[in-house]
Amino acid sequence: GESVGLHLPTLSVQEGDNSIINCAYSNSASDYFIWYKQESGKGPQFIIDIRSNMDKRQGQRVTVLLNKTVKHLSLQIAATQPGDSAVYFCAENGGTSYGKLTFGQGTILTVHP
Amino acid sequence: DAMVIQNPRYQVTQFGKPVTLSCSQTLNHNVMYWYQQKSSQAPKLLFHYYDKDFNNEADTPDNFQSRRPNTSFCFLDIRSPGLGDAAMYLCATSRSNRGRGHEQYFGPGTRLTVT
Repeated sequence: GESVGLHLPTLSVQEGDNSIINCAYSNSASDYFIWYKQESGKGPQFIIDIRSNMDKRQGQRVTVLLNKTVKHLSLQIAATQPGDSAVYFCAENGGTSYGKLTFGQGTILTVHP
Repeated sequence: DAMVIQNPRYQVTQFGKPVTLSCSQTLNHNVMYWYQQKSSQAPKLLFHYYDKDFNNEADTPDNFQSRRPNTSFCFLDIRSPGLGDAAMYLCATSRSNRGRGHEQYFGPGTRLTVT
């Protein structure tokens, strides 16, 4: 069946370092990918998304890279701050057009001052 | 401004006592979702409404039901909560646009405790 998974469940970095969170997906029909940040006790918050016709997209301090050949997605956070500490989920749409998503297992990012 | 609102934020119910969680949205999105999220796990989709059409996930227990009386509101009914149903319940919305994926907007969640 379709699945979206993460290689590393936890990531600890020092404040100011760059962070990279990885994600593997298996559904070749997926053409839309998204990263969410979830802080403790809150709902997931949109960070950045990318469509399959792109391989890179940049936001404010964040970059998402998509490698369709190996079905791999990554989130890069520049100059990581303590406020970035959260769980990060990748999700893919399985080719659906109306927003249904399949979530990966999540990576816990801890930023040390 | 709140866009996806969930009430209550915290709900305590007794084993076997029916409970209803509510979700409302001001985005006028036509798709609404209910997820169950347990500690240190990804959100698990229970079901979603595409307009008025209800779509149940294959592994969602019959104990979970949903109602969507209008575009803005959606309810999650747990008919006989068990201890294993204690979790965070997340409501989300999205708009359909044929051929294009779209992000989901999440509410803050309702933390359900079963005693």
